[in-house]
Amino acid sequence: GIQVEQSPPDLILQEGANSTLRCNFSDSVNNLQWFHQNPWGQLINLFYIPSGTKQNGRLSATTVATERYSLLYISSSQTTDSGVYFCAVDGGDYKLSFGAGTTVTVRA
Amino acid sequence: KAGVTQTPRYLIKTRGQQVTLSCSPISGHRSVSWYQQTPGQGLQFLFEYFSETQRNKGNFPGRFSGRQFSNSRSEMNVSTLELGDSALYLCASSLAGEEFFGPGTRLTVL
Repeated sequence: GIQVEQSPPDLILQEGANSTLRCNFSDSVNNLQWFHQNPWGQLINLFYIPSGTKQNGRLSATTVATERYSLLYISSSQTTDSGVYFCAVDGGDYKLSFGAGTTVTVRA
Repeated sequence: KAGVTQTPRYLIKTRGQQVTLSCSPISGHRSVSWYQQTPGQGLQFLFEYFSETQRNKGNFPGRFSGRQFSNSRSEMNVSTLELGDSALYLCASSLAGEEFFGPGTRLTVL
């Protein structure tokens, strides 16, 4: 199956700082999604981005499919951005393969 | 439009028992997938259904099974529960490839 690696595993930020999370994947993919897992465990959709660049408020994402990586940018971080961010890919076999996640802690 | 719903939200069982979890997808979504999340193994794919047919299955023992009904609702069953089955079970429905997750069922096996 497709291997997904996320870095860094942990990130501690001061409120207002910017950050970049990275996702590398081992094979070509049909889909790529970024999620934020809330404290209750639900995965919240951030981006559906098999290729290209998207922005949603303070968050943006870029996927370079030919080089097999995606980046999630958090700008002007807030304490509510804390949590675990997951990258997941679908290689065309009707399932998502997840990375291990990046745990983000934003300090006031 | 209502999101993916899962019932029950919390469940406590003892070893050897069986359990059935339920998932109702977003209206109009015909694909339903199940995932298990544990601290040690992370998020792992269990199975995916589309129009009542299982299209893919993850690497889990036969004690884990699922089905999908004609209204796209899905259930998963775990028989002969083991301590290691304690996990958050997440259901997702999808349309055109993008998956949307429910709140999960947190299963504790004692």
